[in-house]
Amino acid sequence: SAVISQKPSRDICQRGTSLTIQCQVDSQVTMMFWYRQQPGQSLTLIATANQGSEATYESGFVIDKFPISRPNLTFSTLTVSNMSPEDSSIYLCSVLGQVNQPQHFGDGTRLSIL
Amino acid sequence: QKEVEQNSGPLSVPEGAIASLNCTYSDRGSQSFFWYRQYSGKSPELIMFIYSNGDKEDGRFTAQLNKASQYVSLLIRDSQPSDSATYLCAVTPGGSARQLTFGSGTQLTVLP
Repeated sequence: SAVISQKPSRDICQRGTSLTIQCQVDSQVTMMFWYRQQPGQSLTLIATANQGSEATYESGFVIDKFPISRPNLTFSTLTVSNMSPEDSSIYLCSVLGQVNQPQHFGDGTRLSIL
Repeated sequence: QKEVEQNSGPLSVPEGAIASLNCTYSDRGSQSFFWYRQYSGKSPELIMFIYSNGDKEDGRFTAQLNKASQYVSLLIRDSQPSDSATYLCAVTPGGSARQLTFGSGTQLTVLP
């Protein structure tokens, strides 16, 4: 499976600031996704990152809060904007190499907001 | 009603026993079914995936799918303490572009 590198691995941020998380894959992938895992919870899909176009957001998530880019088939970024303590979570990038293959996850970004 | 439901546990089994993890889903059109293992502080790791009714075996792991009953399970034979983790059931809903909907996870502890 593809090697997925996610940066940063963790960060502590101040309320009201923004953080951009990067996801780099070592091979071209069909699809890239961003998930959030709040403390003690399961994973919730934020959006599908579409190459060269606007991301597709799930209910409850908006572009102004979570802008996403995917300039090519191996790279995507997620920005968490105007952060509040409720945004303290693990943010995970996942990739789908081919349509009938499973998704694989990066190591995640552990984000804490003070 | 949650789309994917799992018993949250915790589930404890003795070393060497069979651990049985269960998952039900609400969307009858769901296409693909996955089991991920997540150790504390780590990201989910794919264990098994199954697309067709029946059983699929890989080493000590067996995934079982019954689409009529909307039920998928994971059996872990000869359980080891290293199997202690949270197991996440994930489903690709019908008509989706391959997104995953996750259950809440079952915490498994294998006792030495």
